[in-house]
Amino acid sequence: KAGVTQTPRYLIKTRGQQVTLSCSPISGHRSVSWYQQTPGQGLQFLFEYFSETQRNKGNFPGRFSGRQFSNSRSEMNVSTLELGDSALYLCASSADPGLAGGHEQFFGPGTRLTVL
Amino acid sequence: GESVGLHLPTLSVQEGDNSIINCAYSNSASDYFIWYKQESGKGPQFIIDIRSNMDKRQGQRVTVLLNKTVKHLSLQIAATQPGDSAVYFCAEKIRRGGSYIPTFGRGTSLIVHP
Repeated sequence: KAGVTQTPRYLIKTRGQQVTLSCSPISGHRSVSWYQQTPGQGLQFLFEYFSETQRNKGNFPGRFSGRQFSNSRSEMNVSTLELGDSALYLCASSADPGLAGGHEQFFGPGTRLTVL
Repeated sequence: GESVGLHLPTLSVQEGDNSIINCAYSNSASDYFIWYKQESGKGPQFIIDIRSNMDKRQGQRVTVLLNKTVKHLSLQIAATQPGDSAVYFCAEKIRRGGSYIPTFGRGTSLIVHP
């Protein structure tokens, strides 16, 4: 079974631009979560989508948004990029973390975003 | 907000030794605790989890211990191998809105010397 894939793997943008990152979950997984990883703040939860609906959201500004499509693929968008948005953005999928046995999340390799 | 933290940022061990990675948490309402391993250039990989109503859980070469009295979580790796070298994260999960939201610790770098 193919793992979680994220595209692109690397991205360089300048301040003020916007960016869209893509995530394809493991086949059959309906939950997709996004995380930001930086050396200073570590791993932080951005949001979670399940069946095309945002089910939970972390403590990030409205510049960070996302969506999920009917095939469970997900995108996240960051508008008006700031230098501090430079990070590794990770996507993870699971069958359904709402179920008792569905806590195992499978992470993709991440998209390394650099904002200049 | 409440957070999860780690006692040691770096742990160096010899191949074959047992490793213990510690984690302190502050939210007594957390339902699950999870350990992840992250190798360079890769996303985190699930190792093992434990429910808040358990004290101990064992996997293959790994054991997680949960002490709710002092809000402490540990990961024990038996017979550590060079392939175990990575950053290890603990995470606590709280149920919210129909799913479980994780809060991650900062990570401990495990270095295994052959």
